[in-house]
Amino acid sequence: EDKVVQSPLSLVVHEGDTVTLNCSYEVTNFRSLLWYKQEKKAPTFLFMLTSSGIEKKSGRLSSILDKKELFSILNITATQTGDSAVYLCAVNPNTGNQFYFGTGTSLTVIP
Amino acid sequence: DAGVIQSPRHEVTEMGQEVTLRCKPISGHNSLFWYRQTMMRGLELLIYFNNNVPIDDSGMPEDRFSAKMPNASFSTLKIQPSEPRDSAVYFCASSIRDRGTGELFFGEGSRLTVL
Repeated sequence: EDKVVQSPLSLVVHEGDTVTLNCSYEVTNFRSLLWYKQEKKAPTFLFMLTSSGIEKKSGRLSSILDKKELFSILNITATQTGDSAVYLCAVNPNTGNQFYFGTGTSLTVIP
Repeated sequence: DAGVIQSPRHEVTEMGQEVTLRCKPISGHNSLFWYRQTMMRGLELLIYFNNNVPIDDSGMPEDRFSAKMPNASFSTLKIQPSEPRDSAVYFCASSIRDRGTGELFFGEGSRLTVL
């Protein structure tokens, strides 16, 4: 059965800290892995990763994929209170168009 | 584009009542997804459509749930009869299928509370 597991489940840090969020997966015929940020409403897209070892970067956020070890990490440097959210990882297998989501990591950044 | 539009935003109903949630995907997107989100189980895929055709409904909890997509710009998710355990946020999302690794665009969600 296809599966996406995120860790930690929740995290509390102080402003300025660096955090690393983890996503491991087991899917048949991997196509892509996506990261989303969810505040109070709908998830919003952050990154899409398809190739191992190529870092995607957007400001203080970056992400990388390891297709051999079947995991991805999302890094946030110099965290701000606005980074407080649930971060979701989703995997798209090549066998269909569905996206399997992990349960998310809840990040709280304290001033 | 207005994005994925869902209605109602909030619904409070009593057990046994019929609930209909509505979704308008982004124009030009040919895949539509219904997800349910709860604290315990996270985001669960209920059903998805490609070109208005249901492809995978294995996530639909039971026969009380049904979904339709009569045309490319409208879909409904119906629960009849509703039960308290159906309380959740229901998200609709759309994407462009076969465009490599197209991302999902989510609506704002419909928060359902069944008393």
